[in-house]
Amino acid sequence: QVQLQESGPGLVKPSETLSLSCAVTGFSIDAGYYWGWVRQPPGGGLQWIGSMFPDGSPYYSPSLKSRVTISKDTSKNHFSLKVNSVTPADTAMYYCVRSATFLTDGCYFDSWGQGTLVSVSS
Amino acid sequence: SYVLTQPPSVSVAPGQTATIRCGGNNVDSKSVHWYQQKPGQAPVVVVYDDGARPSGIPERFSGSNSGNTATLTISTVEAGDEADYFCQVWDGSSDDIVFGGGTRLTVL
Repeated sequence: QVQLQESGPGLVKPSETLSLSCAVTGFSIDAGYYWGWVRQPPGGGLQWIGSMFPDGSPYYSPSLKSRVTISKDTSKNHFSLKVNSVTPADTAMYYCVRSATFLTDGCYFDSWGQGTLVSVSS
Repeated sequence: SYVLTQPPSVSVAPGQTATIRCGGNNVDSKSVHWYQQKPGQAPVVVVYDDGARPSGIPERFSGSNSGNTATLTISTVEAGDEADYFCQVWDGSSDDIVFGGGTRLTVL
């Protein structure tokens, strides 16, 4: 059974870069699924950040694409998220996720990590 | 960009049926997916492609989609169903994945 586990700093200063990693166990990230990130501000709703094709090609939400980078490290079976120039509005629980399809109506997230809380504050 | 609208809260007594709606322009032209999120936990998909259930999800959870409204129905509600519920679609016109704002289900 696939498991996803986020890791990274819990506190980032404004204007700096938020960097998170997602370790995947029980499934190869090269095996044809799509891997991505969703965030949730405290007490708020869910926001898709972006996803990655099996070959590592990223695709980002239009609202965040100017500040986001998603990449993979196949040798370690994990993938990463970077968000540049963060502000307090980027404070959120960040989840890594998996979907079986992408860029289609059938795209939904069938596996989620437990999430990691990132606060942006000086 | 595409917008999905959910009521902030729904309350229901145990054993009754809970109905959670998700509104969007011609939402029936899209596939709607529903997630349950209990406090302190990650979301879990309970219905996908409008009305399909993943393995392990009770038959009490069902979904439908017609016109401008998709609906998640939970029959014979239990205390353990108390959670936040989110709807989600893929919007091809903006190439974006869109979530509704979420509905908190309270079991009285």
